[in-house]
Amino acid sequence: GAVVSQHPSRVICKSGTSVKIECRSLDFQATTMFWYRQFPKQSLMLMATSNEGSKATYEQGVEKDKFLINHASLTLSTLTVTSAHPEDSSFYICSAISAASTDTQYFGPGTRLTVL
Amino acid sequence: EDKVVQSPLSLVVHEGDTVTLNCSYEVTNFRSLLWYKQEKKAPTFLFMLTSSGIEKKSGRLSSILDKKELFSILNITATQTGDSAIYLCAVVVGNNRKLIWGLGTSLGVNP
Repeated sequence: GAVVSQHPSRVICKSGTSVKIECRSLDFQATTMFWYRQFPKQSLMLMATSNEGSKATYEQGVEKDKFLINHASLTLSTLTVTSAHPEDSSFYICSAISAASTDTQYFGPGTRLTVL
Repeated sequence: EDKVVQSPLSLVVHEGDTVTLNCSYEVTNFRSLLWYKQEKKAPTFLFMLTSSGIEKKSGRLSSILDKKELFSILNITATQTGDSAIYLCAVVVGNNRKLIWGLGTSLGVNP
């Protein structure tokens, strides 16, 4: 149980294009989903917290207009990187918390974004 | 400022050895402490600890929390090469259940 999927697993795009990453909880309902990015050999950095049906809460320094988050249902959240630039290249990971109200975040496998 | 400190940062052992990984924390609004294993991809969940003194076990792995001294340990017995990974400790804080991460312990198990 508690499986989270992400799609795509890897994406390469040109500078200036937008990229959408999907995060799905496959076998549970996720009231809260989190989006992280991770640079090589560094800790996960929280970008934003999204609750189903409401606006995402962004961490300080994360541009909400650049990283659009939509949590339209209890099993799906999407992150859109708009007008991507090479410095946006990173490993993006989502996690989800069950509506059964535990603290455990279950992580998706991550999406490797490369912007040329 | 909330912080989580893991030690050691890096460790190399031989197969069959037992290892103990440490995680200490100073946070406000503590909810629980989580251990994860990260190999090449995203972290996989190991344990969630909320109460002091109650050991959680899963096969060769076990973990315990001390809320008075503000630390947790993760034990791995009879290590195998497949245990090689980064072990991450994270503390859940506040109503929004934000995670405060340690930097991780990189464990290498040699055959």
